[in-house]
Amino acid sequence: AQKITQTQPGMFVQEKEAVTLDCTYDTSDPSYGLFWYKQPSSGEMIFLIYQGSYDQQNATEGRYSLNFQKARKSANLVISASQLGDSAMYFCAMREENTGFQKLVFGTGTRLLVSP
Amino acid sequence: DVKVTQSSRYLVKRTGEKVFLECVQDMDHENMFWYRQDPGLGLRLIYFSYDVKMKEKGDIPEGYSVSREKKERFSLILESASTNQTSMYLCASTLLALGQGTEAFFGQGTRLTVV
Repeated sequence: AQKITQTQPGMFVQEKEAVTLDCTYDTSDPSYGLFWYKQPSSGEMIFLIYQGSYDQQNATEGRYSLNFQKARKSANLVISASQLGDSAMYFCAMREENTGFQKLVFGTGTRLLVSP
Repeated sequence: DVKVTQSSRYLVKRTGEKVFLECVQDMDHENMFWYRQDPGLGLRLIYFSYDVKMKEKGDIPEGYSVSREKKERFSLILESASTNQTSMYLCASTLLALGQGTEAFFGQGTRLTVV
């Protein structure tokens, strides 16, 4: 069954340091997409980065990179040079291409707090 | 600017009332989703739709129904609101495809309080 697991309810990091947010997933579909979203205290959902199951390279978008380890079924988000504005909830999500009508499922999220 | 718009930002309803939450997208997306978000539980999928008049149950459909009569509009219905349905409700839409540029777009959320 399609499932996303985020085991870190909260993470703390100092400004300018890097932080890794963990995400593991479960699927039997060989074709799937993994997404990360940021939700600041204002509530909007902001898309950060996408990784396809057949992508050979790890995805990167500015200070965000995705550490994709397919055999381990993990898709960890790495934020480099953390900024105070990175304080937010972060959600990992997945869509399967061939099963379940491509429904989009989310993990429980990780709250990141960046301190000065 | 692409948009997913939810009809209300805040709603207060009484127990037993029938409640309609409306969501409209202007991106011609095939997929539309309704989630509820509660602290510590993340976003839980209530229902989704991949085409007009088509619907699929998500993980927590009990107490809810949906309607999709037009491609751009997806409605969530609470048939008889209960206090345990007090939550933040989020609508999202995506293309029926996977790849770069197929991320979900979200509405601003509706915070529903049932008293």
